[in-house]
Amino acid sequence: DAGITQSPRHKVTETGTPVTLRCHQTENHRYMYWYRQDPGHGLRLIHYSYGVKDTDKGEVSDGYSVSRSKTEDFLLTLESATSSQTSVYFCAISDSRGGSETQYFGPGTRLLVL
Amino acid sequence: RKEVEQDPGPFNVPEGATVAFNCTYSNSASQSFFWYRQDCRKEPKLLMSVYSSGNEDGRFTAQLNRASQYISLLIRDSKLSDSATYLCVVNMNNAGNMLTFGGGTRLMVKP
Repeated sequence: DAGITQSPRHKVTETGTPVTLRCHQTENHRYMYWYRQDPGHGLRLIHYSYGVKDTDKGEVSDGYSVSRSKTEDFLLTLESATSSQTSVYFCAISDSRGGSETQYFGPGTRLLVL
Repeated sequence: RKEVEQDPGPFNVPEGATVAFNCTYSNSASQSFFWYRQDCRKEPKLLMSVYSSGNEDGRFTAQLNRASQYISLLIRDSKLSDSATYLCVVNMNNAGNMLTFGGGTRLMVKP
């Protein structure tokens, strides 16, 4: 258990509304990541963070923003949700053990945009 | 061409069978390799890292062939509980420690 929680776990929203998903970790990991998972596409990186206030874009960052004001929290915001953002969102942390970086995932948030 | 490619399956096998999954990756500079397991409607979980010399964890054996850019996972004596999607994952030696995921191979073990 990597001590990662996500909230909310499920959300239904309407097109055009803002949505914020929260990822919280309890073990002071430096790196945190947001992914989306869709059928036929697998897991794709949206944004990641390498420290407080340090973030960078991933493969599918359009339409998303992130913030990390403290080590334990990494927020993902959909400024104006669209139906194409209906997906399962996973947060992950990076843990270095023996020099091999591995990632551990939170339980996911299922988002439906109507 | 996808950066990490896997046969999506499904692989339908009887209990007790041996099954092998393969994965190819495109970036020869890739440094770290992993197999993750994902159950339906759950998060991916690390199954095992893959080392150059090959490694074994109980019924699971992982192999890496850097020359062919190929990774494999062998499951012996399949159990019903092995039914899941297996994700091949590669760290392509980038600054953000970003991982690239294959689309996954679905395994269904039948009684």
